[in-house]
Amino acid sequence: GAVVSQHPSRVICKSGTSVKIECRSLDFQATTMFWYRQFPKKSLMLMATSNEGSKATYEQGVEKDKFLINHASLTLSTLTVTSAHPEDSSFYICSALLAGGSYNEQFFGPGTRLTVL
Amino acid sequence: QKEVEQNSGPLSVPEGAIASLNCTYSDRVSQSFFWYRQYSGKSPELIMSIYSNGDKEDGRFTAQLNKASQYVSLLIRDSQPSDSATYLCALRPGGYNKLIFGAGTRLAVHP
Repeated sequence: GAVVSQHPSRVICKSGTSVKIECRSLDFQATTMFWYRQFPKKSLMLMATSNEGSKATYEQGVEKDKFLINHASLTLSTLTVTSAHPEDSSFYICSALLAGGSYNEQFFGPGTRLTVL
Repeated sequence: QKEVEQNSGPLSVPEGAIASLNCTYSDRVSQSFFWYRQYSGKSPELIMSIYSNGDKEDGRFTAQLNKASQYVSLLIRDSQPSDSATYLCALRPGGYNKLIFGAGTRLAVHP
């Protein structure tokens, strides 16, 4: 159990275009999902917390108008990188929170590698 | 001071040896700690979670937590070349569901 999928796994786009990445929890419902970004040889940096039915909570320094997050159902959150630029090229990873009593654990999707030309 | 600190490595151990990975943290309120394994180009995979002081064992893995010293470690017994990866230490700050990650320690197990 606790499987999270992401789509697409890889995307190449031109500078100035928008890219949407989907994150799905396949076998559980997740009221909370998270979006991370990881640059080569660096650790995961949390971008935002996605809450089903409400606005996302963005970490300091993350532009909410550039990285649009929608969590429309208990199994799907989307991240849209608007007007992408080469510096947005990165590995984007989502996770979904599996809530279980006092102990909540995050399970990660396989990631989306974005390359902006 | 970073919230979660790890030695970046690489930590090189021979096959069959015990690999010891360490992590210190600054937030005294944190109650939940996690170890993730990340292979190159892949997303993190949860290995262990630990919430109480002491040791927690799962197969070849043992997590150790010392809240007084703000220290959490992961021991890998009988290390295998397939264990070669980056190991990420993470904590959940008190009152939040989000995770704060360390930079990771790269482990290399050589035959």
